[in-house]
Amino acid sequence: AQTVTQSQPEMSVQEAETVTLSCTYDTSENNYYLFWYKQPPSRQMILVIRQEAYKQQNATENRFSVNFQKAAKSFSLKISDSQLGDTAMYFCASHNYGGSQGNLIFGKGTKLSVKP
Amino acid sequence: ETGVTQTPRHLVMGMTNKKSLKCEQHLGHNAMYWYKQSAKKPLELMFVYNFKEQTENNSVPSRFSPECPNSSHLFLHLHTLQPEDSALYLCASSQDFSGRGRRWAGELFFGEGSRLTVL
Repeated sequence: AQTVTQSQPEMSVQEAETVTLSCTYDTSENNYYLFWYKQPPSRQMILVIRQEAYKQQNATENRFSVNFQKAAKSFSLKISDSQLGDTAMYFCASHNYGGSQGNLIFGKGTKLSVKP
Repeated sequence: ETGVTQTPRHLVMGMTNKKSLKCEQHLGHNAMYWYKQSAKKPLELMFVYNFKEQTENNSVPSRFSPECPNSSHLFLHLHTLQPEDSALYLCASSQDFSGRGRRWAGELFFGEGSRLTVL
């Protein structure tokens, strides 16, 4: 069965510093997507960044970037210049190309606190 | 107005009650989903609707009954629930690409959730 593991239940970082959230996954497929979703307290979950497995270049969205290591099945999220608004639960997720629409496999999440 | 709106935000019900959760999306999407978010567990997909047709039921107990009258509205009818059903229920929507020769790229648009407590 496909699994996504986030080994850090909670993390904290000082404002303006950099933090890296870890994620490993297990799939037998060769073509898939990987995602990081952000869920702020009492607000909607939103997509932060997406990576297609066939692309070697790491995805970047402003202060958010990933370190995708396909052979190691590792997909970490780096947040640079952390801001108070980055405080949230962060979920790593995967989806195989052939998987049914909507069926993302999520990790349990990492609670990130950005401290002033 | 937010893209995906869920009501009520909080619901407390007894095991013998019947209640419903409502979701409405204003994004022009044609696929809608119910997810269950329990403490210390990964999000679990419950139901998928594409163009008002249910296309997925992830072995959800019959005490949860979804309804999708049109592409903008989704309900989750609840009856004779158990305390272990207490959770945050998230509605989401997306464009539907199934059967169109295109690949769904995994972006879901979520509502804020309905926090359900079963006593």
